[in-house]
Order: sequence, then structure tokens, then C-alpha cells
Amino acid sequence: AQKITQTQPGMFVQEKEAVTLDCTYDTSDQSYGLFWYKQPSSGEMIFLIYQGSYDEQNATEGRYSLNFQKARKSANLVISASQLGDSAMYFCAMREGQTGANNLFFGTGTRLTVIP
Amino acid sequence: ETGVTQTPRHLVMGMTNKKSLKCEQHLGHNAMYWYKQSAKKPLELMFVYSLEERVENNSVPSRFSPECPNSSHLFLHLHTLQPEDSALYLCASSSGLAGNRETQYFGPGTRLLVL
Repeated sequence: AQKITQTQPGMFVQEKEAVTLDCTYDTSDQSYGLFWYKQPSSGEMIFLIYQGSYDEQNATEGRYSLNFQKARKSANLVISASQLGDSAMYFCAMREGQTGANNLFFGTGTRLTVIP
Repeated sequence: ETGVTQTPRHLVMGMTNKKSLKCEQHLGHNAMYWYKQSAKKPLELMFVYSLEERVENNSVPSRFSPECPNSSHLFLHLHTLQPEDSALYLCASSSGLAGNRETQYFGPGTRLLVL
């Protein structure tokens, strides 16, 4: 079974509007971490935001926030005030376990296009 | 200076060639990774090195051979590849110390085309 599911292959948003990118995950671990990465056309994966399974508050980093709903196993990324430079692929990822250099499981990504 | 660099950025090779991909991290990290990114598939973890020891090898064909001479450098040696090996190969590094908060930082990738 897929550990990370991103159901939106593509999304469009008007510049300066907010957009939510969906991510659901599957794990039986109690301790895990959730990550979002941005991949522009240049190819580099850029780390955006992290949410730990025990974090009580939703993570925020500038214009990025994470809508973490643990019971529903969802970790949606919210981008506020979209900019043209936000157009890229966005990947949700999860780490299970607590120690060492563990695997990151990635979803298939959502391509976001910001319209002027 | 960017944290993780990869060379070359683009590579075209024939099925009988031998080539190597290079990754260098300037972040003082202890763990390094190779990922393969094919179109419309999730990133696939290929190899993990922690403190220069290989800790994970996800059933990767032997035509891919990693090498980690020190904690800052990681190579992926390629030989007798197949056209289906054409993909973006991404290198990443992480501290190896942060447990669940462990964040991997990626390089720009090498776009490989096998003819």
C-alpha cells in the first residue's frame, strides 16, 4: 500500500490567493515525521516545512503552513498569498521511526501552477 | 555556496558506457542518499550511507554501484545501463542525528539519458 497519497496531480491558483495541496499518509507507527518539498523545473528538491507526529500545533514557515489532522492521517500544505515563483511540483514525504538515517517515503507529487 | 552539489547536471550515455555521478555536501552531515526519480513515479530510494557505511540498498540492480569515500562525497558508478534507467538522479544528505526531525537536503540532480 502507498504510504503517501497525493490525489491532486495538478492544481491552479490565482496569484495572491491561497491554495491547499492535499496529502494523506499511512503508518502504524506512533512516532513519525511529515515533510513537504518543492521541486522547481530545475530539479532540486527544496525543503519547505516539517510536522512531527507529537507536535500539537500546526507547523508554519513564512507563507507555508501545514494543516495536520492526525486522526484523519492528513497533512495538507497551505500556501498563502501565492506568487508566480511558487509554480513547481510539491511533494509530501514521511519518515517512520526515530533513529538513524531512515527512509523518506514520497508521494507522486502535485504540480502547482500560479496564474498571473 | 549551495549545500549539496551534483555533477554532471546532464548526462547522455550509451548502454555500453561507464560513467560516474558525483555528489558533494558542504553541510557537515553524516548521512548521504541516492534517489531515482522517474516520470510519474514516487522518488525511489536507492542507497543510504551513514558515516561512510552503506546501511541500505533497496534491491538496486548491480549495474549501479555506489561509493562513499568520506562523509562529504558520494558517487554512483554506472555501467551497462538500460534505457529504462533514464531518470533524474538526486543526491541528498542529512545530519544522521535528528531522529524523526531528520531533514534531508537535496542536490539539483543529474538528468541521465541512456540511449
